[in-house]
Amino acid sequence: ETGVTQTPRHLVMGMTNKKSLKCEQHLGHNAMYWYKQSAKKPLELMFVYSLEERVENNSVPSRFSPECPNSSHLFLHLHTLQPEDSALYLCASSQDLAGGGRTSTDTQYFGPGTRLTVL
Amino acid sequence: GQNIDQPTEMTATEGAIVQINCTYQTSGFNGLFWYQQHAGEAPTFLSYNVLDGLEEKGRFSSFLSRSKGYSYLLLKELQMKDSASYLCATHSGGYQKVTFGTGTKLQVIP
Repeated sequence: ETGVTQTPRHLVMGMTNKKSLKCEQHLGHNAMYWYKQSAKKPLELMFVYSLEERVENNSVPSRFSPECPNSSHLFLHLHTLQPEDSALYLCASSQDLAGGGRTSTDTQYFGPGTRLTVL
Repeated sequence: GQNIDQPTEMTATEGAIVQINCTYQTSGFNGLFWYQQHAGEAPTFLSYNVLDGLEEKGRFSSFLSRSKGYSYLLLKELQMKDSASYLCATHSGGYQKVTFGTGTKLQVIP
């Protein structure tokens, strides 16, 4: 496996269900991200982890709960979601969080995403 | 705050040249990314501009003017496979803070 992988690719869940999204990166990167992409809206940054520590939480509702057990894995735990949470959830990784640098350390590499539908 | 503007849709002919513009108002600006996203797929990195000027990479070039808050992505010798959304994203802050625009959906026609 290479790059960034995400499972499942598609998920349909009811509002009372609990499910988890999984992301794994095989690039040796130190930073990982969760984004939400809704139709006709820009990518929304949800969470940022650096070396397994959360460094950013963009006012995301508590029904979304991230977990980063190590620098290669990132989870997004979902519970009591709403229909408006239906979207494409993208995971990304980058080499590190060094700001102001050049491409090699700052570029984010995205996984294929999980298409989530909440009924 | 962060504000990024780019056209919603564009259409261009196979073999032609197209320029996709992006204007931004970003505090703590570091640089600007362009990503390509085919329908149903993940965004893939195209370019990252930190300094003013044009950077060429094969058929794709990206330009940045920091003083004007302006960038463009230039695609030459368009191919049908170039039909995709092109996302402009600003990089700001002391750590990896990337803000995306809504994207420009490019349709290449024969």
